Amino acid sequence: EAEVAQSPRYKITEKSQAVAFWCDPISGHATLYWYRQILGQGPELLVQFQDESVVDDSQLPKDRFSAERLKGVDSTLKIQPAELGDSAMYLCASSFNNSPLHFGNGTRLTVT
Amino acid sequence: KQEVTQIPAALSVPEGENLVLNCSFTDSAIYNLQWFRQDPGKGLTSLLLIQSSQREQTSGRLNASLDKSSGRSTLYIAASQPGDSATYLCAHDRGSQGNLIFGKGTKLSVKP
Repeated sequence: EAEVAQSPRYKITEKSQAVAFWCDPISGHATLYWYRQILGQGPELLVQFQDESVVDDSQLPKDRFSAERLKGVDSTLKIQPAELGDSAMYLCASSFNNSPLHFGNGTRLTVT
Repeated sequence: KQEVTQIPAALSVPEGENLVLNCSFTDSAIYNLQWFRQDPGKGLTSLLLIQSSQREQTSGRLNASLDKSSGRSTLYIAASQPGDSATYLCAHDRGSQGNLIFGKGTKLSVKP
């Protein structure tokens, strides 16, 4: 079965450094999502793309976070500068025509 | 603020028991409700999706019900197995299936 691919699997960075995460959705899935999950909490939506366009980024901290999906396929989420409170699991998901979301295994970020 | 509450936060049962996980939500305008499974350090797997016009969905040993008027959903797991051990999250949306509001989850442990 096709999967959503994310890399890296784990990332440790010092605060004030820049960090980037990559996601490759399931082929043909036009909608891509980035969620953040703090330990012990449920995921929260950061940004939603439809093809290459941002549909919803109302919960994205735009002073330090950016996301792009230039060709409407894979996507990158960047944090600059990273803060201690950014330590979390960053999950990418994709869907097709309002079908249930397929999640990747996430990137576990630790900021020291 | 929309809230999703899951009770209990953790549950430990012997193998073979039938069990019920509870989810309550404050938003009366929910559209779809989903139940997900999350294994430690992994992404989320969609288990059941109940659309607005439906009251329940079944898949194998799993049955989920939705009562929008009371703001509640339940996930029933029959004849539990050690492989069912995971965190179970419920989430709802308001018509955009990707913009999900999650609960904190119920951590289930099934003892052999």
